[in-house]
Amino acid sequence: EMVMTQSPATLSVSPGERATLSCRASQSVSSNVAWYQQKPGQAPRLLIYGASTRATGIPARFSGSGSGTEFTLTISSLQSEDFAIYYCQQYNNWPLYTFGQGTKLEIK
Amino acid sequence: EVQLVESGGGLVKPGGSLRLSCAASGFTFSNAWMSWVRQAPGKGLEWVGRIKSNIDGGTTDYAAPVKGRFTISRDDSKNTLYLQITSLKTEDSAVYYCATDRGYGDCWGQGTLVTVSS
Repeated sequence: EMVMTQSPATLSVSPGERATLSCRASQSVSSNVAWYQQKPGQAPRLLIYGASTRATGIPARFSGSGSGTEFTLTISSLQSEDFAIYYCQQYNNWPLYTFGQGTKLEIK
Repeated sequence: EVQLVESGGGLVKPGGSLRLSCAASGFTFSNAWMSWVRQAPGKGLEWVGRIKSNIDGGTTDYAAPVKGRFTISRDDSKNTLYLQITSLKTEDSAVYYCATDRGYGDCWGQGTLVTVSS
C-alpha cells in the first residue's frame, strides 16, 4: 500500500529562519506530489503541485523539490502567518490520493 | 471567484445515513473532476473518493474504508456535488471537504462536520 511519511512530526523554527519539511513515498510517485498548508479551523490550502510548481498566489518564499520518493518543502524566511500544519500528498499511485500525516510548524 | 460551499452535516446515530452537498460557483463545474476529503477531529487528511466530469465518463473511485457505503454523484445543472453516506460508523465522524480535483486539490470548501454518535 502506498504510504507517504512526513518528517519531522513537529518542527520548531524562529521567525525569519528557514524551515525544511520532508516527505518520503513508499514507492516512486514521479513528480506527482502536492503540498498543502492548514491552519486551525480552516480548509487546506494548496501551496505546491508537481513537486515544485507554486500554486496561484503563493509567495516565492515557499519552494518544493524532489522526485521519485524524496520530496522537500522549504520556507525560506518564516513569517508569523506560516506557522501551521503542512501535508504532502501523492497523486500518482493507487489508492488514488494519499496524504502524509502532517508536519506541525511551530514558533520557536 | 471560485467557491465551494458544503452543507448537510450533523449528528447521526451509528447505522444512519446522510447526504452532503457541495455547491460550486465561479468556474465551469461540468468540466471539473471533484473529490471529497475528510478529516477526523485532531487527525490528518484522508481522501474519500472522486468523480470525473461527465465529459470524461463521470466515473467514481473510492477509498477502501468507504467503498460500498459512500456514493458520490453530481448534478451539473445545479453545479452541485453530493456525497451519500450510509451505514455510518463512529469512525466516519469528521469534517468533510469537497475540492476541485486536478490530481491535487486546488480549491477547497470550508467543510461540513459529521458526527456519528448514539
